[in-house]
Amino acid sequence: LAKTTQPISMDSYEGQEVNITCSHNNIATNDYITWYQQFPSQGPRFIIQGYKTKVTNEVASLFIPADRKSSTLSLPRVSLSDTAVYYCLVGDIRAAGNKLTFGGGTRVLVKP
Amino acid sequence: DADVTQTPRNRITKTGKRIMLECSQTKGHDRMYWYRQDPGLGLRLIYYSFDVKDINKGEISDGYSVSRQAQAKFSLSLESAIPNQTALYFCATSDLQGVEQFFGPGTRLTVL
Repeated sequence: LAKTTQPISMDSYEGQEVNITCSHNNIATNDYITWYQQFPSQGPRFIIQGYKTKVTNEVASLFIPADRKSSTLSLPRVSLSDTAVYYCLVGDIRAAGNKLTFGGGTRVLVKP
Repeated sequence: DADVTQTPRNRITKTGKRIMLECSQTKGHDRMYWYRQDPGLGLRLIYYSFDVKDINKGEISDGYSVSRQAQAKFSLSLESAIPNQTALYFCATSDLQGVEQFFGPGTRLTVL
C-alpha cells in the first residue's frame, strides 16, 4: 500500500481557494487517488477520485502531475461549512483484496 | 432513510463483556467494511467482506470477529472488550467497482 503524507492542518478564510497537497512517492501503476471529507462525529464522505491529469466535479478539483508522486485537492471559494478533515487515500480500489488506508488527514479550518 | 445504518449509536460497557455492533445497508452493495477511529487519528480497517461468503482481516483484526449474515448485514463483535477498544466504529459499503465507500453514522463505544 502506498504511504501518503499530507499537512496536519491548514487555515483559510471564506471565499478563498484551498489547496491540499498529498505526497505518495511509491504509488503503484494500478493505484487510484481518492479524497474523502470528514466532519466531527460523522463518517467520511467521498469527494473525488482520479488516476492522472485533472479531474473536476461540482465540489472540487484534483490535480495529478505526470509522475503521479503527488496530488493536490483544490476546494474553490470555501465556506465555513467546509471546515473538516480531508483524507488522501491511494490504492488499487478495483483489486480483490484491496484495502484502503486512511492516514491522519489534513484538518482544514475556514475562518469568517 | 439512511443508506447505511449502525446500531447502537452509543454504547458503554465493561471490560470482559461481549459486544456486537450491527450494520445494515440498503444500497445493494456487495462489499462491506468495518473501521475504527481513535481521537484525532485516521480510520483503520478491522475487517472487510466482498460478498456473503468472503471475510478478510484488515490491519487491526485482533480482538474482533465479524459475521456477514446477508448481503445487507455485517456485524462486528468484540468477544471480550478491553478499554483500549474504546473508539468510534464505522461501517462502510461499496459496489464491485469500489470507487466510493459509503459510511454509516458511526458507533461510539466506551469500554470501562
